[in-house]
Amino acid sequence: DGGITQSPKYLFRKEGQNVTLSCEQNLNHDAMYWYRQDPGQGLRLIYYSQIVNDFQKGDIAEGYSVSREKKESFPLTVTSAQKNPTAFYLCASSYRKAYPEKLFFGSGTQLSVL
Amino acid sequence: SQQGEEDPQALSIQEGENATMNCSYKTSINNLQWYRQNSGRGLVHLILIRSNEREKHSGRLRVTLDTSKKSSSLLITASRAADTASYFCATDPSPLQGAQKLVFGQGTRLTINP
Repeated sequence: DGGITQSPKYLFRKEGQNVTLSCEQNLNHDAMYWYRQDPGQGLRLIYYSQIVNDFQKGDIAEGYSVSREKKESFPLTVTSAQKNPTAFYLCASSYRKAYPEKLFFGSGTQLSVL
Repeated sequence: SQQGEEDPQALSIQEGENATMNCSYKTSINNLQWYRQNSGRGLVHLILIRSNEREKHSGRLRVTLDTSKKSSSLLITASRAADTASYFCATDPSPLQGAQKLVFGQGTRLTINP
């Protein structure tokens, strides 16, 4: 089945630790996005990538890093510099040649701090 | 930056009734999209309306857009228990040739009571 797979579903981070959230898509989409969602809130854009080996900061990039070495994959690392990492993280992708684009979302990763 | 603001924040109705949610935004847009999120899951795209359109239908969904008032509404007719979810509007304020960076509102939490 085509779609976006996020893993793990639940992740726990110890203080001072970096953790990496996985996002893989087999939809042949060009663009990929990472959003953060806090309880009862909307989504805020962390990073996005329109093409392999290129990515841009979103509205809340501090304390996060990404890579885009393959079209299918867009992992997000939550670094120790992110002091309040507890949130629900959502990965999305879109087909840029079909503007306007609608986003396809993964099922999310809940990150909590131990 | 949060551009879209949904109203009401929460809505509880009886099954079979119609549900109306509103979204207001601040800057000019290229298109506006509505998404649904079931608890603890990713978002699912529902409907997209372009800035030059005033109304759009999809099944039991009806979306209107008033660019002069910078507002949109989502109507769900003949609601069902399965419609219980949070609903988000997302606006695209990007230049047409630029990367699409959807800006999400905080959502309306809809509860359908049997």
